[in-house]
Amino acid sequence: QVQLVQSGAEVKKPGSSVKVSCKASGGTFSSYAISWVRQAPGQGLEWMGGIIPIFGTANYAQKFQGRVTITTDESTSTAYMELSSLRSEDTAVYYCVGGGAFNYWGQGTLVTVSS
Amino acid sequence: QSALTQPPSASGSPGQSVTISCTGTSSDVGGYNYVSWYQQHPGKAPKLMIYEVSKRPSGVPDRFSGSKSGNTASLTVSGLQAEDEADYYCSSYAGSNNLNVVFGGGTKLTVL
Repeated sequence: QVQLVQSGAEVKKPGSSVKVSCKASGGTFSSYAISWVRQAPGQGLEWMGGIIPIFGTANYAQKFQGRVTITTDESTSTAYMELSSLRSEDTAVYYCVGGGAFNYWGQGTLVTVSS
Repeated sequence: QSALTQPPSASGSPGQSVTISCTGTSSDVGGYNYVSWYQQHPGKAPKLMIYEVSKRPSGVPDRFSGSKSGNTASLTVSGLQAEDEADYYCSSYAGSNNLNVVFGGGTKLTVL
């Protein structure tokens, strides 16, 4: 059974960047997709992008192209999502999600963007 | 890509059945059999309930079923129970590359 454990909550200033980590255990890390999905307060789910570690190349939603970077470190079974040029609208819970069908969800990381 | 369209709310009494729709286009829902449904209780992470249109992960009650016709997918919850009250989201693969996903806006299911 795959388990995903994310890093803790962050408070960031507008214009800065945030990097959220997601450590996986169970399963074979390199073989399943890792996606990042965010949920603004009171809003729905939004896919940001994802990566299949064995392939190495990330794909991003058009909305986040140029602002988000998803990477993996297979040596530690950890995925990362970095979002730059933060604005208040980026305040949200960010989830890492494992599996092509989004089978496994991390606990979520609250990122608050505030001056 | 645009979000998939779901009704904002649905409701039913205990024991009844409720169906939630998810409408996309031929570029997502209609083009692939990769529609999933998620249940989310307040303050919790979403949980996968249905994948590949109609398959249930281990542990999901068979009261939950999925189907698709054309550009519209549906989630049916039969024998409604109080614990089914939650937000439900659909998602679909949207083509172009290995990973490209679009979500619906979500439906709040109320058990009366």
